[in-house]
Amino acid sequence: GQNIDQPTEMTATEGAIVQINCTYQTSGFNGLFWYQQHAGEAPTFLSYNVLDGLEEKGRFSSFLSRSKGYSYLLLKELQMKDSASYLCAVIHNAGNMLTFGGGTRLMVKP
Amino acid sequence: DAGVTQSPTHLIKTRGQHVTLRCSPISGHKSVSWYQQVLGQGPQFIFQYYEKEERGRGNFPDRFSARQFPNYSSELNVNALLLGDSALYLCASSLAADQPQHFGDGTRLSIL
Repeated sequence: GQNIDQPTEMTATEGAIVQINCTYQTSGFNGLFWYQQHAGEAPTFLSYNVLDGLEEKGRFSSFLSRSKGYSYLLLKELQMKDSASYLCAVIHNAGNMLTFGGGTRLMVKP
Repeated sequence: DAGVTQSPTHLIKTRGQHVTLRCSPISGHKSVSWYQQVLGQGPQFIFQYYEKEERGRGNFPDRFSARQFPNYSSELNVNALLLGDSALYLCASSLAADQPQHFGDGTRLSIL
């Protein structure tokens, strides 16, 4: 089966840096996605990692280690609008289905 | 370009009824996936369709069915509705089955 773990909640201060971790156990790993979801809205795509290493996109970076079954999303220069849930999702070749973790609710405080 | 569009936005049904939810993918996207999201949890995979064929099915009962049309739009059908089916139903489309998925705003289904 597939299992994805991420912290339920995190709190950080405006302007700071926060790292949201995600660990997974899955067969037929084909890539890992990070999505942002504001309350009452649909998830929006942030990043996609297939190979090991760091992918940087503006204030957001995502890291993947396939051997460790581990990823993190790094958010820099936090803004109040970054308060949202961050979803880690793994795609595996068994039907190419996307399995989501429970999401990490990030609260950014002034 | 328009994003993924879903209809209706909200729906209220009673136990035992059936419901049809609709999804239009981003133009050029041939893969459509359906997810159920209960409040406070991550989305749960229901179905994936690519080129009008079912490519994946999650752990949902046979009351849930779906199809994809020649124009790549899709319908999700749920029969014999239960209170536990109350959730946000999300549709996502992608260029291919293993490419980043882009989500619609969802249909919020409430069962009374």
